[in-house]
Amino acid sequence: KNQVEQSPQSLIILEGKNCTLQCNYTVSPFSNLRWYKQDTGRGPVSLTIMTFSENTKSNGRYTATLDADTKQSSLHITASQLSDSASYICVVSDGAAGNKLTFGGGTRVLVKP
Amino acid sequence: KAGVTQTPRYLIKTRGQQVTLSCSPISGHRSVSWYQQTPGQGLQFLFEYFSETQRNKGNFPGRFSGRQFSNSRSEMNVSTLELGDSALYLCASSSPRRGPGATTDTQYFGPGTRLTVL
Repeated sequence: KNQVEQSPQSLIILEGKNCTLQCNYTVSPFSNLRWYKQDTGRGPVSLTIMTFSENTKSNGRYTATLDADTKQSSLHITASQLSDSASYICVVSDGAAGNKLTFGGGTRVLVKP
Repeated sequence: KAGVTQTPRYLIKTRGQQVTLSCSPISGHRSVSWYQQTPGQGLQFLFEYFSETQRNKGNFPGRFSGRQFSNSRSEMNVSTLELGDSALYLCASSSPRRGPGATTDTQYFGPGTRLTVL
Protein backbone atom coordinates (compact mmCIF):
# COMPACT_ATOMS: atom_id res chain seq x y z
CA LYS A 1 0.00 0.00 0.00
CA ASN A 2 1.35 3.42 -0.95
CA GLN A 3 1.98 5.55 2.11
CA VAL A 4 3.51 8.92 2.94
CA GLU A 5 4.53 9.60 6.53
CA GLN A 6 5.51 13.05 7.78
CA SER A 7 7.25 14.08 10.95
CA PRO A 8 6.94 15.80 13.24
CA GLN A 9 3.17 16.26 13.36
CA SER A 10 3.64 19.76 14.71
CA LEU A 11 6.47 22.14 15.39
CA ILE A 12 6.90 25.44 17.22
CA ILE A 13 9.89 27.61 16.31
CA LEU A 14 11.00 31.14 17.05
CA GLU A 15 10.98 33.73 14.31
CA GLY A 16 14.33 33.82 12.52
CA LYS A 17 15.24 30.23 13.32
CA ASN A 18 15.57 27.38 10.83
CA CYS A 19 13.64 24.13 10.83
CA THR A 20 13.50 20.89 8.87
CA LEU A 21 10.44 18.77 8.13
CA GLN A 22 10.68 15.11 7.17
CA CYS A 23 8.77 12.95 4.70
CA ASN A 24 9.17 9.20 4.22
CA TYR A 25 7.29 7.36 1.50
CA THR A 26 6.67 3.86 0.23
CA VAL A 27 5.01 4.86 -3.03
CA SER A 28 6.01 2.72 -5.99
CA PRO A 29 6.70 3.27 -8.80
CA PHE A 30 7.90 6.75 -7.99
CA SER A 31 7.31 9.68 -10.34
CA ASN A 32 7.72 12.87 -8.33
CA LEU A 33 7.46 14.36 -4.86
CA ARG A 34 5.80 17.67 -4.06
CA TRP A 35 5.72 19.91 -1.05
CA TYR A 36 2.70 22.10 -0.48
CA LYS A 37 2.07 24.89 2.03
CA GLN A 38 -1.45 25.26 3.35
CA ASP A 39 -2.48 28.30 5.35
CA THR A 40 -5.41 27.85 7.70
CA GLY A 41 -8.69 28.02 5.83
CA ARG A 42 -7.06 28.07 2.40
CA GLY A 43 -6.19 25.56 -0.27
CA PRO A 44 -2.63 24.15 -0.54
CA VAL A 45 -0.07 26.04 -2.60
CA SER A 46 2.74 24.24 -4.40
CA LEU A 47 6.27 24.95 -3.13
CA THR A 48 8.42 22.44 -5.05
CA ILE A 49 8.17 19.44 -7.37
CA MET A 50 11.10 17.01 -7.61
CA THR A 51 11.62 14.05 -9.88
CA PHE A 52 13.75 10.97 -9.33
CA SER A 53 16.86 12.64 -10.74
CA GLU A 54 16.65 15.79 -8.63
CA ASN A 55 18.02 15.77 -5.10
CA THR A 56 17.47 19.39 -4.15
CA LYS A 57 15.23 22.25 -5.19
CA SER A 58 14.76 25.69 -3.68
CA ASN A 59 11.93 28.18 -3.66
CA GLY A 60 13.03 31.26 -1.78
CA ARG A 61 13.66 30.33 1.84
CA TYR A 62 12.29 26.84 1.26
CA THR A 63 14.70 24.09 0.22
CA ALA A 64 13.53 20.56 -0.46
CA THR A 65 15.81 17.54 -0.69
CA LEU A 66 15.09 14.10 -2.05
CA ASP A 67 16.89 10.80 -1.52
CA ALA A 68 15.16 8.37 -3.87
CA ASP A 69 17.26 5.46 -2.61
CA THR A 70 16.08 5.76 0.99
CA LYS A 71 12.71 7.21 -0.10
CA GLN A 72 13.07 10.23 2.11
CA SER A 73 12.56 13.92 1.57
CA SER A 74 13.00 16.96 3.74
CA LEU A 75 11.82 20.54 3.59
CA HIS A 76 14.12 23.10 5.19
CA ILE A 77 12.82 26.53 6.11
CA THR A 78 15.53 29.14 6.55
CA ALA A 79 15.17 32.25 8.71
CA SER A 80 11.54 31.56 9.51
CA GLN A 81 8.96 34.32 9.39
CA LEU A 82 5.58 34.61 11.04
CA SER A 83 3.97 34.02 7.64
CA ASP A 84 5.56 30.57 7.51
CA SER A 85 3.01 29.42 10.09
CA ALA A 86 1.03 26.84 8.13
CA SER A 87 0.69 23.15 7.43
CA TYR A 88 3.25 21.62 5.09
CA ILE A 89 2.11 18.63 3.10
CA CYS A 90 4.30 16.10 1.31
CA VAL A 91 2.69 14.47 -1.74
CA VAL A 92 4.07 11.65 -3.85
CA SER A 93 2.97 10.67 -7.36
CA ASP A 94 3.14 6.99 -8.22
CA GLY A 95 4.07 7.32 -11.88
CA ALA A 96 1.54 4.72 -12.95
CA ALA A 97 -1.28 5.39 -15.39
CA GLY A 98 -3.13 8.40 -14.08
CA ASN A 99 -0.26 9.49 -11.82
CA LYS A 100 -2.21 9.09 -8.60
CA LEU A 101 -1.18 11.22 -5.66
CA THR A 102 -0.65 10.00 -2.11
CA PHE A 103 -0.76 12.71 0.56
CA GLY A 104 1.08 12.82 3.85
CA GLY A 105 -0.72 13.91 6.98
CA GLY A 106 1.16 17.20 7.07
CA THR A 107 3.32 19.01 9.60
CA ARG A 108 1.79 22.00 11.33
CA VAL A 109 4.38 24.72 11.86
CA LEU A 110 3.84 27.62 14.23
CA VAL A 111 6.34 30.46 14.13
CA LYS A 112 6.37 32.61 17.29
CA PRO A 113 7.81 36.11 17.58
CA LYS B 1 -5.16 34.85 -14.73
CA ALA B 2 -7.94 34.02 -12.28
CA GLY B 3 -7.32 31.13 -9.90
CA VAL B 4 -9.50 28.17 -9.08
CA THR B 5 -12.81 29.25 -7.60
CA GLN B 6 -15.16 27.20 -5.49
CA THR B 7 -18.69 27.91 -4.43
CA PRO B 8 -20.10 28.10 -1.91
CA ARG B 9 -17.29 28.75 0.57
CA TYR B 10 -19.32 27.59 3.56
CA LEU B 11 -22.31 25.30 3.83
CA ILE B 12 -24.34 23.86 6.68
CA LYS B 13 -26.58 20.87 6.06
CA THR B 14 -28.35 18.26 8.14
CA ARG B 15 -28.01 14.50 8.04
CA GLY B 16 -29.82 12.88 5.14
CA GLN B 17 -29.73 15.93 2.92
CA GLN B 18 -27.75 16.18 -0.27
CA VAL B 19 -25.32 18.85 -1.38
CA THR B 20 -23.73 20.06 -4.62
CA LEU B 21 -20.42 21.88 -4.67
CA SER B 22 -19.05 23.76 -7.65
CA CYS B 23 -15.53 24.31 -8.97
CA SER B 24 -14.31 26.54 -11.79
CA PRO B 25 -10.77 25.66 -12.88
CA ILE B 26 -8.11 28.01 -14.15
CA SER B 27 -8.82 29.01 -17.73
CA GLY B 28 -7.32 26.45 -20.08
CA HIS B 29 -7.04 23.70 -17.49
CA ARG B 30 -8.92 20.58 -18.46
CA SER B 31 -8.36 18.42 -15.40
CA VAL B 32 -10.23 18.89 -12.15
CA SER B 33 -9.59 16.82 -9.05
CA TRP B 34 -11.61 16.77 -5.85
CA TYR B 35 -10.28 16.10 -2.35
CA GLN B 36 -11.74 15.78 1.11
CA GLN B 37 -9.72 17.16 4.01
CA THR B 38 -10.47 16.34 7.64
CA PRO B 39 -8.32 16.82 10.75
CA GLY B 40 -8.16 13.09 11.34
CA GLN B 41 -7.60 11.78 7.81
CA GLY B 42 -5.77 14.62 6.12
CA LEU B 43 -6.24 15.10 2.39
CA GLN B 44 -7.95 12.24 0.61
CA PHE B 45 -8.50 11.94 -3.12
CA LEU B 46 -12.11 11.70 -4.27
CA PHE B 47 -11.96 11.71 -8.07
CA GLU B 48 -10.48 13.37 -11.11
CA TYR B 49 -12.25 14.53 -14.25
CA PHE B 50 -10.62 15.23 -17.58
CA SER B 51 -12.52 16.31 -20.66
CA GLU B 52 -15.87 15.51 -19.04
CA THR B 53 -14.81 11.95 -18.15
CA GLN B 54 -13.96 10.54 -14.76
CA ARG B 55 -10.39 9.36 -15.10
CA ASN B 56 -9.46 8.40 -11.54
CA LYS B 57 -11.46 7.55 -8.47
CA GLY B 58 -10.56 7.27 -4.81
CA ASN B 59 -12.02 4.97 -2.17
CA PHE B 60 -15.22 6.77 -1.30
CA PRO B 61 -18.75 5.36 -1.26
CA GLY B 62 -21.15 5.86 -4.13
CA ARG B 63 -22.84 8.71 -2.26
CA PHE B 64 -20.01 10.85 -3.57
CA SER B 65 -20.28 11.64 -7.25
CA GLY B 66 -19.18 14.28 -9.66
CA ARG B 67 -19.30 15.51 -13.18
CA GLN B 68 -17.52 17.88 -15.48
CA PHE B 69 -19.02 20.14 -18.09
CA SER B 70 -17.73 21.04 -21.53
CA ASN B 71 -16.26 24.29 -20.18
CA SER B 72 -14.25 22.21 -17.65
CA ARG B 73 -16.28 23.44 -14.69
CA SER B 74 -16.98 20.62 -12.29
CA GLU B 75 -19.56 19.79 -9.67
CA MET B 76 -19.40 17.35 -6.81
CA ASN B 77 -22.49 15.87 -5.21
CA VAL B 78 -22.87 14.12 -1.88
CA SER B 79 -26.19 12.42 -1.19
CA THR B 80 -27.63 11.22 2.11
CA LEU B 81 -25.19 13.28 4.14
CA GLU B 82 -23.64 11.79 7.26
CA LEU B 83 -22.01 13.57 10.20
CA GLY B 84 -18.64 12.22 9.05
CA ASP B 85 -18.95 14.08 5.76
CA SER B 86 -18.18 17.32 7.56
CA ALA B 87 -14.92 18.44 5.99
CA LEU B 88 -13.15 20.92 3.77
CA TYR B 89 -13.70 19.93 0.14
CA LEU B 90 -10.93 21.09 -2.12
CA CYS B 91 -10.87 21.27 -5.87
CA ALA B 92 -7.64 21.44 -7.87
CA SER B 93 -7.07 22.07 -11.54
CA SER B 94 -4.18 21.28 -13.82
CA SER B 95 -3.57 20.71 -17.49
CA PRO B 96 -2.02 17.26 -17.45
CA ARG B 97 -1.64 14.81 -20.22
CA ARG B 98 -1.25 11.91 -17.81
CA GLY B 99 -3.10 12.59 -14.57
CA PRO B 100 -2.85 15.15 -11.75
CA GLY B 101 0.53 13.90 -10.55
CA ALA B 102 2.34 14.12 -13.88
CA THR B 103 5.72 15.77 -13.50
CA THR B 104 5.09 18.61 -15.86
CA ASP B 105 1.97 19.78 -14.16
CA THR B 106 1.38 21.71 -11.00
CA GLN B 107 -1.96 21.36 -9.30
CA TYR B 108 -3.59 24.62 -8.33
CA PHE B 109 -6.01 24.37 -5.46
CA GLY B 110 -9.09 26.44 -4.82
CA PRO B 111 -9.92 27.87 -1.38
CA GLY B 112 -12.26 24.98 -0.61
CA THR B 113 -15.83 24.61 0.55
CA ARG B 114 -16.26 23.96 4.24
CA LEU B 115 -19.20 21.65 4.73
CA THR B 116 -20.71 21.15 8.16
CA VAL B 117 -23.27 18.39 8.63
CA LEU B 118 -25.44 18.69 11.73
